[in-house]
Amino acid sequence: NAGVTQTPKFQVLKTGQSMTLQCAQDMNHEYMSWYRQDPGMGLRLIHYSVGAGITDQGEVPNGYNVSRSTTEDFPLRLLSAAPSQTSVYFCASRPGGSNEKLFFGSGTQLSVL
Amino acid sequence: AQKITQTQPGMFVQEKEAVTLDCTYDTSDPSYGLFWYKQPSSGEMIFLIYQGSYDQQNATEGRYSLNFQKARKSANLVISASQLGDSAMYFCAIGTNAGNMLTFGGGTRLMVKP
Repeated sequence: NAGVTQTPKFQVLKTGQSMTLQCAQDMNHEYMSWYRQDPGMGLRLIHYSVGAGITDQGEVPNGYNVSRSTTEDFPLRLLSAAPSQTSVYFCASRPGGSNEKLFFGSGTQLSVL
Repeated sequence: AQKITQTQPGMFVQEKEAVTLDCTYDTSDPSYGLFWYKQPSSGEMIFLIYQGSYDQQNATEGRYSLNFQKARKSANLVISASQLGDSAMYFCAIGTNAGNMLTFGGGTRLMVKP
């Protein structure tokens, strides 16, 4: 059982470039999300989805776009990369309900030069 | 909206001793869950323990226990018999029925001394 799979693990971009971080889960989870973690800090929610076709903004959505066409996939798009987006990005999923833990991907280390 | 506060940026503990990591929370939702995650230097997020707001007993998982004080809105993690492998970042998080994802605190870096 693969769980939550994120690709790539590492990425270097130049300012202004665009790219997509991929995320897939095979647990049939309703909820999927993207977090970013800056050095020495906690995780901040970028965007999330409560089901296919439904997305919403989290705490820090600016500069990012998401879509959820299937239950399994939840890609994160950087529209025009900026140095402030240098961070570690985590995709996570969970079943619905307040008592359900998040399952995390292994993270993507993104550097924007 | 919910909020998590972890007031200890860093802590040292001697190997084999117990340590308590503090976490306070704020939410207006009567139904919520509190989670602790460990993040070692390798970067992955490892789930440790969960406490539900209606649970009568404090949660335990092996060497981890959660000291849940609802009236004080605190959910401290207690690690007994610390091991060198416990050196990591520890994050407290809250999930509610109204909120769809977990909200995380800023984390505590625990360093275990031999």
